Amino acid sequence: EVFLVESGGGLVQPGGSLRLSCAASGFMFSSYWMTWVRQAPGKGLEWVATIKEDGSDKYYVDSVKGRFTISRDNAKNTLYVQMNSLRAEDTALYYCARAREEYDFWVGYFPGFFDYWGQGTLVTVSS
Amino acid sequence: EIVLTQSPGTLSLSPGERATLSCRASQSVTRSSSYLAWYQQKPGQAPRLLIYGASSRATGIPDRFSGSGSGTDFTLTISRLEPEDFAVYYCQQYGRSPTTFGQGTKVEIK
Repeated sequence: EVFLVESGGGLVQPGGSLRLSCAASGFMFSSYWMTWVRQAPGKGLEWVATIKEDGSDKYYVDSVKGRFTISRDNAKNTLYVQMNSLRAEDTALYYCARAREEYDFWVGYFPGFFDYWGQGTLVTVSS
Repeated sequence: EIVLTQSPGTLSLSPGERATLSCRASQSVTRSSSYLAWYQQKPGQAPRLLIYGASSRATGIPDRFSGSGSGTDFTLTISRLEPEDFAVYYCQQYGRSPTTFGQGTKVEIK
């Protein structure tokens, strides 16, 4: 059975940093794209970042580019996101999710839908 | 960026009734396939994948859930609402970067 368990959330002041982790089990972690999705309190889902199986490709939503860094350790079956220069608008529940790979003749391989999700870790940015 | 607009915002129905949820994209999400997924989220829980590729049910999803559509217009249908189906539903397009979600449709008990 697939399990994804996030950790590392908490209260941080604006401008501060936080590193989230996501421990994966029940599947071959190194064979899947992985992603972070966040949900502000009472709001909808927002994709944050995605990383390829071997870490060679990374994608970010514009609002976190230059501030967040997604990474992974396939030996430890763990996904990370380093969040710097945090802002109040980064306050959210952060989910990690497994992404299924898609293929299109014109585009090649790319990350697709998210088939398994963790329960999330809450990040609150406030003074 | 592709904008997904879900309608209605809230759907008030009774158990046993049919639910029809719409997701409209600002540009086509169909190339060789339709890159559109649906998720269900209950209060205090993570989203759960229901449908991918516009019409394929995810593992373990009951057949009362069905998806249809192509191009820019997609529909999630719940044929007969069960008590556990009252939740918020999101569509997601993953055909063009960045992937985006709709704002959600809440299905509530009438």
